[in-house]
Amino acid sequence: EAGVTQFPSHSVIEKGQTVTLRCDPISGHDNLYWYRRVMGKEIKFLLHFVKESKQDESGMPNNRFLAERTGGTYSTLKVQPAELEDSGVYFCASSQEASGQETQYFGPGTRLLVL
Amino acid sequence: GDSVTQMEGPVTLSEEAFLTINCTYTATGYPSLFWYVQYPGEGLQLLLKATKADDKGSNKGFEATYRKETTSFHLEKGSVQVSDSAVYFCALVPQGGSEKLVFGKGTKLTVNP
Repeated sequence: EAGVTQFPSHSVIEKGQTVTLRCDPISGHDNLYWYRRVMGKEIKFLLHFVKESKQDESGMPNNRFLAERTGGTYSTLKVQPAELEDSGVYFCASSQEASGQETQYFGPGTRLLVL
Repeated sequence: GDSVTQMEGPVTLSEEAFLTINCTYTATGYPSLFWYVQYPGEGLQLLLKATKADDKGSNKGFEATYRKETTSFHLEKGSVQVSDSAVYFCALVPQGGSEKLVFGKGTKLTVNP
């Protein structure tokens, strides 16, 4: 069974540009999560999809971030325009059920550097 | 709000040494508790979990016990190996409602031969 995959693995862009990150969850997992780790800080929750619906987007930092999951399969996270403080590692995770006891399976992350 | 505090690293040990990484949490009720590990160049992997008080999670020789009275979930291993070198994250999911993981800052462990 394939794990969670993320693309690209690395991205270097200039301030003001747009970047789109993609996440493919494990097949059959209705729940998809985005997290990010800014340098030296904790991994922070961004949002949670159940199928194509946003269940919780309380962690999205501002309206420069747009997440979509059309069709309830893969998800994209767009940052437009990117700022220096957006640099970090963006992780995607998926789970079959949405319960506090369910394991979330993580992808390898996308390392974003905004210059 | 909910939070996780884990010991600052980095931690450097010799092979076969005993490992403890402390983790305490702040949350209402009974959160689920997790340890995730990130090996060099890889993503986060679940190491172990415990979902109710006094439960012990274990995997690959690592153990952690859910202690409600001390709000702790310390990670231990009796004899570490070089291959255990990684970053370890303690995390919780709050009881009821949200399924989002709340992470500690991570502890980098280096095991020398």
